[in-house]
Amino acid sequence: NAGVTQTPKFQVLKTGQSMTLQCAQDMNHNSMYWYRQDPGMGLRLIYYSASEGTTDKGEVPNGYNVSRLNKREFSLRLESAAPSQTSVYFCASSGQRENIQYFGAGTRLSVL
Amino acid sequence: AQSVTQLDSHVSVSEGTPVLLRCNYSSSYSPSLFWYVQHPNKGLQLLLKYTSAATLVKGINGFEAEFKKSETSFHLTKPSAHMSDAAEYFCVVSDRGRGSTLGRLYFGRGTQLTVWP
Repeated sequence: NAGVTQTPKFQVLKTGQSMTLQCAQDMNHNSMYWYRQDPGMGLRLIYYSASEGTTDKGEVPNGYNVSRLNKREFSLRLESAAPSQTSVYFCASSGQRENIQYFGAGTRLSVL
Repeated sequence: AQSVTQLDSHVSVSEGTPVLLRCNYSSSYSPSLFWYVQHPNKGLQLLLKYTSAATLVKGINGFEAEFKKSETSFHLTKPSAHMSDAAEYFCVVSDRGRGSTLGRLYFGRGTQLTVWP
């Protein structure tokens, strides 16, 4: 009954450090997404992957890279973290038929 | 282009009174519309979804929403608020109706619902 699993749940980085946020889904979904949530801004799409082997930029891709490792896993990498990347990051996945996105519990990232 | 405007950033109600959270959308074709709820420090949970079937959509926990094309609105209502309804609510539009198999979502900025005892 896992759904979408994100790790880690919390992370504190110093400016310039790098890290990778992990996401895995067990629903056999084709599409996966990374969002960031900032106060008063709703969720904004960073990158998405329509299917295994493809990735595309969303609304706010600068400063991030992604890898669709296989059908289950979609990771988000910050190469050189900046304070502006302090946010809550959500991963989501969706199947082809029902067009509903299922969200993970989020990763709370602070960049000092 | 798709966009969503949630007309209230905060709504406060007393327990047992009706809830109305307002949402207007912009879409160049027949949209898919959603309401998601986020409880404190949690992920997002789907409340309900509209996809061009019945215009009145019933969701979980007694919530419902009515799609009004003439008003481009998709307001969320509940007859009687409960303390457990306190959360942030997001109105969302999808562009999947454009023939794409990829359902990109466009989020409103959220409405924080406070329920007073």
